Amino acid sequence: QQPVQSPQAVILREGEDAVINCSSSKALYSVHWYRQKHGEAPVFLMILLKGGEQKGHEKISASFNEKKQQSSLYLTASQLSYSGTYFCGTEGGAQKLVFGQGTRLTINP
Amino acid sequence: EPEVTQTPSHQVTQMGQEVILRCVPISNHLYFYWYRQILGQKVEFLVSFYNNEISEKSEIFDDQFSVERPDGSNFTLKIRSTKLEDSAMYFCASSVQGPYEKLFFGSGTQLSVL
Repeated sequence: QQPVQSPQAVILREGEDAVINCSSSKALYSVHWYRQKHGEAPVFLMILLKGGEQKGHEKISASFNEKKQQSSLYLTASQLSYSGTYFCGTEGGAQKLVFGQGTRLTINP
Repeated sequence: EPEVTQTPSHQVTQMGQEVILRCVPISNHLYFYWYRQILGQKVEFLVSFYNNEISEKSEIFDDQFSVERPDGSNFTLKIRSTKLEDSAMYFCASSVQGPYEKLFFGSGTQLSVL
């Protein structure tokens, strides 16, 4: 079962913040975040495994709620390079990572 | 950083023809995957492969599709009789210990079925 992402699209000015949400109807073992720039392959951002976990690097961080049914990706003081489509991924089976429908982030100067 | 390599980058074929998409995963990785992405849509799981056999496959991965690791380095996706709706970007990915860690994606093969 694929996770549900919201919003579908976000438009920001450089320097503004964004939050992208990823939710599931059942508790998850893990949640993954990837970013895909136009015409390129998805690139790994981070994995969260524990309920209540927060993780991040530079100005991009993520949280995983205690029930392990929702994760949020936080982009702080956005830069032009943050533009792209963000996908969360969750387990759809023992050897199967399935992605949400994506959130398109556009950062304008 | 090591890379997953995919060839060709673009493939144009006629409906009904067979195509083989090729991937060279990262050398010490044990798990291999194919995903596809129709333009502007989400990245869809097709199949996972470990220890020379399919681990999981999606409902998309029907009898027209097959995967193979013909030697120690290549990982291929074959579509036996292509359909118009098979037109998509196909991504190969690999990981060291399974899908619950970082997946490394190749740059993709854009398949166009005419």
